[in-house]
Amino acid sequence: EAQVTQNPRYLITVTGKKLTVTCSQNMNHEYMSWYRQDPGLGLRQIYYSMNVEVTDKGDVPEGYKVSRKEKRNFPLILESPSPNQTSLYFCASSLSQGAGTEAFFGQGTRLTVV
Amino acid sequence: GQNIDQPTEMTATEGAIVQINCTYQTSGFNGLFWYQQHAGEAPTFLSYNVLDGLEEKGRFSSFLSRSKGYSYLLLKELQMKDSASYLCAFLNDYKLSFGAGTTVTVRA
Repeated sequence: EAQVTQNPRYLITVTGKKLTVTCSQNMNHEYMSWYRQDPGLGLRQIYYSMNVEVTDKGDVPEGYKVSRKEKRNFPLILESPSPNQTSLYFCASSLSQGAGTEAFFGQGTRLTVV
Repeated sequence: GQNIDQPTEMTATEGAIVQINCTYQTSGFNGLFWYQQHAGEAPTFLSYNVLDGLEEKGRFSSFLSRSKGYSYLLLKELQMKDSASYLCAFLNDYKLSFGAGTTVTVRA
């Protein structure tokens, strides 16, 4: 089954404790991205990757890191999480980012930083 | 800068038609998407417009006017399962920018 898998689905952590949210897709998609979703603000892009070893900042990259060492994986790293990073996070992939290719989203990771 | 606006909430009756408007401002434009998101779930793709005009897909249609920076999503023959949030998003190069979403509630 074609899908984007994120782990974990739920995470509660403490301020400053490094964490990684994994994202994997099995559709051989080139383009992957991370979003955070907050009430009243909608989905905001954190980072995106156009292919292996090619990443770039989205609209809200501060406090986050990503890597794209393999085509299928695009982990999101919070080196020192803070309470303002409490949010719902979505990973998405698409064949490319152009010509109307739809994005497939993972099921989301609800992160709480206390 | 970039900005995208859509109404926060809309309510309609089962079987009716609802139109969700979206206006955007952007320095570059490569297309406009609509996604549906049920509560607690991931967004799913509904439509894509890159040229002006109407795209029809079953009960859902999407319209784009690039000169006006305007799009709408038309939902016909509303069903209870259409109760969801509808997200408008424009593509600028490789970046996708979303509006805050419109929550549509369908009443029996």
